[in-house]
Amino acid sequence: GAGVSQSPSNKVTEKGKDVELRCDPISGHTALYWYRQSLGQGLEFLIYFQGNSAPDKSGLPSDRFSAERTGGSVSTLTIQRTQQEDSAVYLCASSLGGQPNEKLFFGSGTQLSVL
Amino acid sequence: AQSVTQLDSQVPVFEEAPVELRCNYSSSVSVYLFWYVQYPNQGLQLLLKYLSGSTLVESINGFEAEFNKSQTSFHLRKPSVHISDTAEYFCAVSEGGKLIFGQGTELSVKP
Repeated sequence: GAGVSQSPSNKVTEKGKDVELRCDPISGHTALYWYRQSLGQGLEFLIYFQGNSAPDKSGLPSDRFSAERTGGSVSTLTIQRTQQEDSAVYLCASSLGGQPNEKLFFGSGTQLSVL
Repeated sequence: AQSVTQLDSQVPVFEEAPVELRCNYSSSVSVYLFWYVQYPNQGLQLLLKYLSGSTLVESINGFEAEFNKSQTSFHLRKPSVHISDTAEYFCAVSEGGKLIFGQGTELSVKP
């Protein structure tokens, strides 16, 4: 596609429910990233996929958070038993080769609200 | 692990005034440094980056940033801002294949 696509754009859920957030990276991009943007917290790294390598999960805040990337393309971020502190904008980004000097292309994000 | 500190969460300035947005990173080893910008109701996009070579890098819309290894800084400057520069600016440093971002600085340009 033309850019990184995320769905849904907005998600309202009740505390304790599970949610799934989807990311379609730019076609041909081998690297995919998830970040979380909260007020006053900036952009917090969550997880990074590069090709067929094991993902870098070092930023996931708890074991309620998980992500997978199927077929080296689409990724799903799952949050189980959501808490109010999970409310944030979840951003997905992709890059061509995952090299440290490359530009990241960001999606518009999913605004998650946990009531 | 790398970390990035943006000392100013909000910077209000008048149009045509100069501005500096400060950024410091934690490590003095070789790094790549970036500034990303998020205009109102838009996604994050790359503003400029330092990879190697000249320590001064420029963007197409008049911003510049200077890599200072001894001070581990990468401050962003513009000599004369426009209303259209109102946005949130994020400094970032590479760590392996991922970017570590700062907390962001909200630049508000007033007429």
